[in-house]
Amino acid sequence: DQQVKQNSPSLSVQEGRISILNCDYTNSMFDYFLWYKKYPAEGPTFLISISSIKDKNEDGRFTVFLNKSAKHLSLHIVPSQPGDSAVYFCAAPMNRDDKIIFGKGTRLHILP
Amino acid sequence: NAGVMQNPRHLVRRRGQEARLRCSPMKGHSHVYWYRQLPEEGLKFMVYLQKENIIDESGMPKERFSAEFPKEGPSILRIQQVVRGDSAAYFCASHEGTGPYEQYFGPGTRLTVT
Repeated sequence: DQQVKQNSPSLSVQEGRISILNCDYTNSMFDYFLWYKKYPAEGPTFLISISSIKDKNEDGRFTVFLNKSAKHLSLHIVPSQPGDSAVYFCAAPMNRDDKIIFGKGTRLHILP
Repeated sequence: NAGVMQNPRHLVRRRGQEARLRCSPMKGHSHVYWYRQLPEEGLKFMVYLQKENIIDESGMPKERFSAEFPKEGPSILRIQQVVRGDSAAYFCASHEGTGPYEQYFGPGTRLTVT
């Protein structure tokens, strides 16, 4: 039973445009969400997070939106750059120092 | 200011052999987590350890897999009598135990069973 779902395996976006990656979750107990970025043959690197008491968190070109009633979050990247081509994982920790539940990831291709 | 270290980066084993994967957490981090990524899948939690203690091993297969985090030295994930289905990327992450929720990941060990 997948508690964190990323239904788009891949996404292609023109350089300079906005990339929107979506994520849904089923567990109402999640109170914190994370986005990780992963390049091939490397480990995931933390990108941005959001607490469930907020509906938006922004860090430079990256913004995460949370809609608790819909159990949905999205990551916006604007403007998209070639270096953004990677796999993005939506994730939720069970607790502050507990295991993290990952979605299957979305592979983002930034087109020149 | 080293990050999470994992070795080896690549490991090839024949069916039936043992695989040992090592992880050194970030300095100051006492919580270690192991995750496995199968092809086209997300990362799946395996085990959570603190020094000399297994806190949560709910994601570990019941047989052939074991993990430890001794008082001195790195954390070890051990897979005995490997089978082809064990071929995957194994990632270690660490956390300081307090503070922000995010864990910091190592570069992974890619295990290939032939």
